[in-house]
Amino acid sequence: DVKVTQSSRYLVKRTGEKVFLECVQDMDHENMFWYRQDPGLGLRLIYFSYDVKMKEKGDIPEGYSVSREKKERFSLILESASTNQTSMYLCASSFGRTLVETQYFGPGTRLLVL
Amino acid sequence: AQKITQTQPGMFVQEKEAVTLDCTYDTSDQSYGLFWYKQPSSGEMIFLIYQGSYDEQNATEGRYSLNFQKARKSANLVISASQLGDSAMYFCAMNTGNQFYFGTGTSLTVIP
Repeated sequence: DVKVTQSSRYLVKRTGEKVFLECVQDMDHENMFWYRQDPGLGLRLIYFSYDVKMKEKGDIPEGYSVSREKKERFSLILESASTNQTSMYLCASSFGRTLVETQYFGPGTRLLVL
Repeated sequence: AQKITQTQPGMFVQEKEAVTLDCTYDTSDQSYGLFWYKQPSSGEMIFLIYQGSYDEQNATEGRYSLNFQKARKSANLVISASQLGDSAMYFCAMNTGNQFYFGTGTSLTVIP
């Protein structure tokens, strides 16, 4: 079974702190994604990566950056956390880019910025 | 523009009855994939079912079936014989090969 893990289930940070959210997948997937999920808005794509050291902006990249130094790990960085970044963050991975590829999700990180 | 629309923010269904969750999509692509995911209160997104745009038959996976009407651009999820464990958020999604697009979700509550 594919396993996608995220470093924390719950996280509380203060405004202005630098926040790292880590995601690791164990199935040698090429593609990795970061989403944030807010009530009534569904999942919104922040950043994605189709290869090591490669990154692409999603729909809402402002205030975030990412790092993919190794194939299995995709990190989301909040350079200076703000209260409007309080949200549920979901990491996902997929094997290829064909239409049949589903995304496999981690358990999510609920981030609260005070 | 690519878009997924789920018009039912919340649904209730009696245990053991069937329920349909609506999903419409908008794309100019001829090839795409449609997915449904379940998200229990624990937060993890669970893949349920897939339908390809060229598939002529509706997809089925156990108690889940996807009612695919290509001309109407709809991909409704049908859950038969609802169980209490089906209570969750359900998301419809579309894969165009370059990106996944998700709807806003439907919260399903199964009533004993």
